[in-house]
Amino acid sequence: DARVTQTPRDKVTEMGQEVTMRCQPILGHNTVFWYRQTMKQGLELLAYFRNRAPLDDSGMPKDRFSAEMPDATLATLKIQPSEPRDSAVYFCASGLSLNSVNTEAFFGQGTRLTVV
Amino acid sequence: GDSVTQMEGPVTLSEEAFLTINCTYTATGYPSLFWYVQYPGEGLQLLLKATKADDKGSNKGFEATYRKETTSFHLEKGSVQVSDSAVYFCALSDRRGGSYIPTFGRGTSLIVHP
Repeated sequence: DARVTQTPRDKVTEMGQEVTMRCQPILGHNTVFWYRQTMKQGLELLAYFRNRAPLDDSGMPKDRFSAEMPDATLATLKIQPSEPRDSAVYFCASGLSLNSVNTEAFFGQGTRLTVV
Repeated sequence: GDSVTQMEGPVTLSEEAFLTINCTYTATGYPSLFWYVQYPGEGLQLLLKATKADDKGSNKGFEATYRKETTSFHLEKGSVQVSDSAVYFCALSDRRGGSYIPTFGRGTSLIVHP
């Protein structure tokens, strides 16, 4: 059963520390999304990649957040330095987006980040 | 830009009651429409989808019809169960810069009592 895998599931860190969240998209999917979920803002799109190339990261605070896809099986979202307001659940999702095919987004279980 | 508006929750129902969760959208193109469900501590899962006008998506007793004239995609279920308690998200997927990008509503919490 193919699924998106995110690690870690939970992360508690102190303000100022670096946080790295990892995502393994479904094999064969060419689009990867990073979302942040909070009670106040709901689901916010932070960044997305197509064929490993970053297409849009306008949803991310540029000074502290960075997203990369070192290879087709790994996407990372890094926060440095972390702040309490970054506390949220971060979701990775993947999908297949071609000219004539567009699957739905498949979500991982999320990383719950708490910055104290 | 694209946006999705869905009714605020929580929606509280008794078991076997009829459910409607309203969803309307704004899109520049001709989007596909989705309902996702999120159970506590988990990610979003696709519940149903529709890709063109008048299509009806259905799954596990839930239904939604793509209404282009009213830009709506309301979720319905004839008889809810306690196990349907979850947060439901309406979403659209529209083409942007060569890729299909999902846009989500704020989510509607459903609580079903025995």
